[in-house]
Amino acid sequence: NAGVMQNPRHLVRRRGQEARLRCSPMKGHSHVYWYRQLPEEGLKFMVYLQKENIIDESGMPKERFSAEFPKEGPSILRIQQVVRGDSAAYFCASSPLKTSSYNEQFFGPGTRLTVL
Amino acid sequence: AQTVTQSQPEMSVQEAETVTLSCTYDTSESDYYLFWYKQPPSRQMILVIRQEAYKQQNATENRFSVNFQKAAKSFSLKISDSQLGDAAMYFCAYRSRGKYSGGGADGLTFGKGTHLIIQP
Repeated sequence: NAGVMQNPRHLVRRRGQEARLRCSPMKGHSHVYWYRQLPEEGLKFMVYLQKENIIDESGMPKERFSAEFPKEGPSILRIQQVVRGDSAAYFCASSPLKTSSYNEQFFGPGTRLTVL
Repeated sequence: AQTVTQSQPEMSVQEAETVTLSCTYDTSESDYYLFWYKQPPSRQMILVIRQEAYKQQNATENRFSVNFQKAAKSFSLKISDSQLGDAAMYFCAYRSRGKYSGGGADGLTFGKGTHLIIQP
């Protein structure tokens, strides 16, 4: 069973461009979480999605950021008009339907976004 | 909102020795989960150990164990017989008990991390 996959692993964008980060959850997982890690910081929760639904976006910046998890295909985190402050590592995690009380989140390897 | 504090930005230990990493948290909830994650230079997040708040018994996983003090809101990680491969950033994390329909759960709240150095 392949783990959580994220691509690209590294992404370079110039200020004002759009960044699209993809996350394929583990097989059978229907919950996806996105986190952002700024340099020298811990991970910060951004958004929690189930298939075709945004459940909790309390950690998402109000502007320029959006996320989706369509019925088919990977989850996408989209950042429009990127700025230098968006440079960070973005991690995706997935968890299965509730099979245990832990609902463990399995993390992908992350996408490092660099904004020039 | 919950907060997680790791007061040790960096810790150093001799190989084969024991080291304890500190974590405190703030919450008004009575039922929750606590986790320690390891992040090596590859940046992959690896779950080390987890604890359910309603369980009084401290969790253990091989050389890793926790000291969970619910009243003090403290959740420290002890690594015994430290090995070179233990060198990494260690993050303490908190999660509320699941509250969403469909079985999902809140996102994790992380501390800022402790950089663990293993001296050969």
